[in-house]
Amino acid sequence: AQSVTQLDSQVPVFEEAPVELRCNYSSSVSVYLFWYVQYPNQGLQLLLKYLSGSTLVKGINGFEAEFNKSQTSFHLRKPSVHISDTAEYFCAVSDPGGNYQLIWGAGTKLIIKP
Amino acid sequence: GAGVSQSPRYKVTKRGQDVTLRCDPISSHATLYWYQQALGQGPEFLTYFNYEAQPDKSGLPSDRFSAERPEGSISTLTIQRTEQRDSAMYRCASSTTGGTQYFGPGTRLTVL
Repeated sequence: AQSVTQLDSQVPVFEEAPVELRCNYSSSVSVYLFWYVQYPNQGLQLLLKYLSGSTLVKGINGFEAEFNKSQTSFHLRKPSVHISDTAEYFCAVSDPGGNYQLIWGAGTKLIIKP
Repeated sequence: GAGVSQSPRYKVTKRGQDVTLRCDPISSHATLYWYQQALGQGPEFLTYFNYEAQPDKSGLPSDRFSAERPEGSISTLTIQRTEQRDSAMYRCASSTTGGTQYFGPGTRLTVL
């Protein structure tokens, strides 16, 4: 069965510093990859997704992620964070040969320090 | 509608009671998913619908859980004889077939 690992439950970072949130997945078959964000008291919102093609994917709010098939990783990055990026970030995968259900990581809380 | 809506946003119930949660998907979306998210964890798949058909119920944790989408639009998730371990955030998402899933705000269920 597929699984998704987000190694860091919390990542504290100073405002305007760069950040990387790590995500690894277990599947050896082709998958679709997603990052969702949950701002306080809001629902899950899609940040970006990888379906095929270029391994570097750009999303909303200046975030990007790189698909690395050999390392089965899909790490999320932002060169300079803002206080408004405070949120919980979830990595997920789906099997395009299945029912497209999402398999989720446990989430990483991004804490921005002023 | 413009987005996915869920009701109620919060539900507190006593152990043994039945609860029904509602999801109203984006109107053009054929597919609807239900997920359960325990505190401190990522969401876990419960079930999904293609219009009114329910091809996969494999994630439902017990036969106390059931879901319906009788007219292929609004869906309900019912939990009978609730237990404390059912306390969680219940998330609904809709999509076009094979498309990006768009989520509602969720229903936080607390079983006392």
